[in-house]
Amino acid sequence: NAGVMQNPRHLVRRRGQEARLRCSPMKGHSHVYWYRQLPEEGLKFMVYLQKENIIDESGMPKERFSAEFPKEGPSILRIQQVVRGDSAAYFCASSMGSNQPQHFGDGTRLSIL
Amino acid sequence: DQQVKQNSPSLSVQEGRISILNCDYTNSMFDYFLWYKKYPAEGPTFLISISSIKDKNEDGRFTVFLNKSAKHLSLHIVPSQPGDSAVYFCAATRGNNRKLIWGLGTSLAVNP
Repeated sequence: NAGVMQNPRHLVRRRGQEARLRCSPMKGHSHVYWYRQLPEEGLKFMVYLQKENIIDESGMPKERFSAEFPKEGPSILRIQQVVRGDSAAYFCASSMGSNQPQHFGDGTRLSIL
Repeated sequence: DQQVKQNSPSLSVQEGRISILNCDYTNSMFDYFLWYKKYPAEGPTFLISISSIKDKNEDGRFTVFLNKSAKHLSLHIVPSQPGDSAVYFCAATRGNNRKLIWGLGTSLAVNP
């Protein structure tokens, strides 16, 4: 009964380090979405990917952030040179198709020291 | 610019009664709406959705109503149970992209 798996659940980084967040979609799902929830705010869309393709990255900050969903393996959200403002909960969702409900993982809580 | 609004931050209901959670949106291009439930330290859990071609969708104790002219939707939970206590999020999307635009949530407390 594998849902969307995110790891790590908690990640602590110092300013200037890199953060890598992983997401394995539900079995049979080829659409992956990343969302961010800053403290005291709602969820905000970051990026939408299908296998090996970025479909929509309109919510991604222009610098330091990148995402991929390779042919094999999990989707990766990468944040380079992290700053305090990157502290947030990062949620991944997957769906079977673009017109199907998105199912979420339990998130990665990123803390920047 | 909050395109999806949940104006009630919290709601308290007695067990067995009806819970009604409301959501308003501003973008008339939205064509698909979803409700999620979220517990602390967990991800959102999908509850129910509705397409803009419908005005009602029902699944067990959960019913979603859509009023397109008012740009308003509501989630009814009948009967409410203590396990329903959580934060409920309304989300909307349009077209084939399907990126979800979220409200800020309503915290529901169902009292025994």
